[in-house]
Amino acid sequence: QKEVEQNSGPLSVPEGAIASLNCTYSDRGSQSFFWYRQYSGKSPELIMFIYSNGDKEDGRFTAQLNKASQYVSLLIRDSQPSDSATYLCAVNKNYGGSQGNLIFGKGTKLSVKP
Amino acid sequence: DTGVSQDPRHKITKRGQNVTFRCDPISEHNRLYWYRQTLGQGPEFLTYFQNEAQLEKSRLLSDRFSAERPKGSFSTLEIQRTEQGDSAMYLCASSLASLPSGNTIYFGEGSWLTVV
Repeated sequence: QKEVEQNSGPLSVPEGAIASLNCTYSDRGSQSFFWYRQYSGKSPELIMFIYSNGDKEDGRFTAQLNKASQYVSLLIRDSQPSDSATYLCAVNKNYGGSQGNLIFGKGTKLSVKP
Repeated sequence: DTGVSQDPRHKITKRGQNVTFRCDPISEHNRLYWYRQTLGQGPEFLTYFQNEAQLEKSRLLSDRFSAERPKGSFSTLEIQRTEQGDSAMYLCASSLASLPSGNTIYFGEGSWLTVV
């Protein structure tokens, strides 16, 4: 089982719809969860992070975390063509006292059709 | 520009040659990370520094790879005797404090390596 799993897509939604992106992780000790957006040929940019169970909203974006199910999701409301990108889920894996790095999934490619 | 800066942005090299990438983090950030990303994959962690100390290295970082951050500011990543499998985007990132406080890590634009 891979540490962080995402459906590679592509996920296609019409403009104005809600896009739902999902991610599961294998390490129950994971503490923080991040969503990055990556446009083709560019570097990842952070959308938002979450580390408590429940929902966290930031503008059109809502992150949802369920640690019992080891599941994190990202909802994008009122999707725009400019949201078309690959969305990367990342998890902070706690190596005891070391909390240095993120484990990324492969990403889900989102396409928003005008 | 006060973001993470990487140089060169693109490098084409012949198999067997050595290459070096440089990263200048955001000035007040004490942590610096190197990741590698190939097409269709998410970034894979290679190593990170806190100030000048290299605190963690992935098993992906073979003995052909070496990273330094001598003065706790900029960092270099050297790949010796390059192989075609080293072709990837090498991403540098920096942060002010350790995770999982939620402090953001910021990525540079990446250095693309093509080994021919």
